[in-house]
Amino acid sequence: AQSVTQLGSHVSVSEGALVLLRCNYSSSVPPYLFWYVQYPNQGLQLLLKYTTGATLVKGINGFEAEFKKSETSFHLTKPSAHMSDAAEYFCAVSVTGGFKTIFGAGTRLFVKA
Amino acid sequence: ETGVTQSPTHLIKTRGQQVTLRCSSQSGHNTVSWYQQALGQGPQFIFQYYREEENGRGNFPPRFSGLQFPNYSSELNVNALELDDSALYLCASSPTAGQRVNTEAFFGQGTRLTVV
Repeated sequence: AQSVTQLGSHVSVSEGALVLLRCNYSSSVPPYLFWYVQYPNQGLQLLLKYTTGATLVKGINGFEAEFKKSETSFHLTKPSAHMSDAAEYFCAVSVTGGFKTIFGAGTRLFVKA
Repeated sequence: ETGVTQSPTHLIKTRGQQVTLRCSSQSGHNTVSWYQQALGQGPQFIFQYYREEENGRGNFPPRFSGLQFPNYSSELNVNALELDDSALYLCASSPTAGQRVNTEAFFGQGTRLTVV
């Protein structure tokens, strides 16, 4: 079975500061890993995904994440936060041959001016 | 190419009633999944449909049921509504090549269901 733990339900950063959202996963088989963003009253938008190959994954809006198998982590980073980055972020895991995606509880990102 | 669309956007129902939510998948996508997102939580998998058949189910009771049509659009039906069914219901479609091949899901805007 797979599971996802997002560390910190709320993260607050200043505009221009580094964004770091933490995600740890559990999976008995090689996982597919995703980060989604959700703006208020909207659905989920894919930021980036890891399937196989390069462990550093670049996504939209300047975000990137690194798959670290030894640490079972897939943390999301962005060098410089923008006010428009304020949203809820979800880490998710699925596996090849599986039929569902397991989501973490989410981390709400606040960006201060 | 249109994205995933859901209707209605908001709905208020009374406890004990039945509700039907609708989803049109993205063009070319033959797999639809439904998720329930309670306030302050991550989405929880309800079930998935592939080529008009249920392809997997999460930990939801039988009063949650679904359909997929030949054009790959889908419905989620919930009978005997309970207060705890109040949530955002998300539909997601995927361009799967086979029954168990997994790719990322493309989500609709969701239907906000309130049960009073």
